[in-house]
Amino acid sequence: EDKVVQSPLSLVVHEGDTVTLNCSYEVTNFRSLLWYKQEKKAPTFLFMLTSSGIEKKSGRLSSILDKKELFSILNITATQTGDSAVYLCAVGGYSGGSNYKLTFGKGTLLTVNP
Amino acid sequence: GAVVSQHPSRVICKSGTSVKIECRSLDFQATTMFWYRQFPKQSLMLMATSNEGSKATYEQGVEKDKFLINHASLTLSTLTVTSAHPEDSSFYICSARGRGGSTDTQYFGPGTRLTVL
Repeated sequence: EDKVVQSPLSLVVHEGDTVTLNCSYEVTNFRSLLWYKQEKKAPTFLFMLTSSGIEKKSGRLSSILDKKELFSILNITATQTGDSAVYLCAVGGYSGGSNYKLTFGKGTLLTVNP
Repeated sequence: GAVVSQHPSRVICKSGTSVKIECRSLDFQATTMFWYRQFPKQSLMLMATSNEGSKATYEQGVEKDKFLINHASLTLSTLTVTSAHPEDSSFYICSARGRGGSTDTQYFGPGTRLTVL
């Protein structure tokens, strides 16, 4: 069974701190790893990673994938209170033949205090 | 990013009634749509995958006769919760995956909060 494990489950930091969120996975026929940010409603897309060692950046957020170790990290530098959210890691794979699906981790709840 | 809408955003109904939720991709053609359910403080659980013009594929443990999915066009999928009961109360989220470009990326709708009394 496909599995995605995120750590830590929750994290409380002060504004300006840098945080690293972790995601490890075991997925049949891995295709891609995606990071989402979920505030009060549905998740919003952050990054999609398919190749090892290539860092993706968007402002203060960056992410990298290690396909050998089956691991990804999401970094947020100079955190702001608006970064407070649940960060979800999802891995896309083909299980049972041609059925592509995303398997989600439980998420990391990040709280940034002023 | 691509835009996916869901309607209604919130619904409260009596036990035994049926509820239909619509999911639309507004600016791209969605070859595949996914329906998820999320309970409080838990992650998204995939319920079913629907490809346009074919029957949905349900995940293990999801009753296909209770959660009816129709994906009649490349921009619309519907989920009908039949004979809803209080334990069906949850946050239902759809996502759509397009053809061309980055087909692995799923874009999520804003979700529908269902409360069954």
